[in-house]
Amino acid sequence: DGGITQSPKYLFRKEGQNVTLSCEQNLNHDAMYWYRQDPGQGLRLIYYSQIVNDFQKGDIAEGYSVSREKKESFPLTVTSAQKNPTAFYLCASRGPSLALQETQYFGPGTRLLVL
Amino acid sequence: ELKVEQNPLFLSMQEGKNYTIYCNYSTTSDRLYWYRQDPGKSLESLFVLLSNGAVKQEGRLMASLDTKARLSTLHITAAVHDLSATYFCAVGIETSGSRLTFGEGTQLTVNP
Repeated sequence: DGGITQSPKYLFRKEGQNVTLSCEQNLNHDAMYWYRQDPGQGLRLIYYSQIVNDFQKGDIAEGYSVSREKKESFPLTVTSAQKNPTAFYLCASRGPSLALQETQYFGPGTRLLVL
Repeated sequence: ELKVEQNPLFLSMQEGKNYTIYCNYSTTSDRLYWYRQDPGKSLESLFVLLSNGAVKQEGRLMASLDTKARLSTLHITAAVHDLSATYFCAVGIETSGSRLTFGEGTQLTVNP
């Protein structure tokens, strides 16, 4: 089955700790995205990557870091610099921009909680 | 800065009734998306609208786009309980890496 997987489903972070959220896709998509969703709010873009070994900051990149070493994988690290990390994190991917009907497909999400 | 505003943010309606959710955006955009989110779940794509006057329908939902007014609507016909969810519109600009800017979402509750 083609799709996007995220792990873990729930993640607990201690103060001062860095944690990494996994995002893997087997859709052969070039572009991948990380969003943060706070309760009762819309999604805000953290980082995105249009191609392997390249990524750009989104609207709320401070306190986060990413890597894109493989096409299939786009892990997000929440660093200790992110003072309010409790949120629902969603990873998405998208196919070629030439496919005009192409939408972003979302993974199931990781819920991060601070201990 | 691109801004996307939805209204209403909360909508409670009876089964069988019709209603419309509005999505306004502040700058020219390539495309407009509608997504559905069930509580605690991820986002499911509903519609992609690409051009002025575009209209798409799926079941009891119909989406339209007016690029001149920078307005999209999501019309619900004869609502049923299964449509209860949060609906998001999002605006994309292709030259910005297809990144999306989301509205705050409309939480829809359909009551029997």
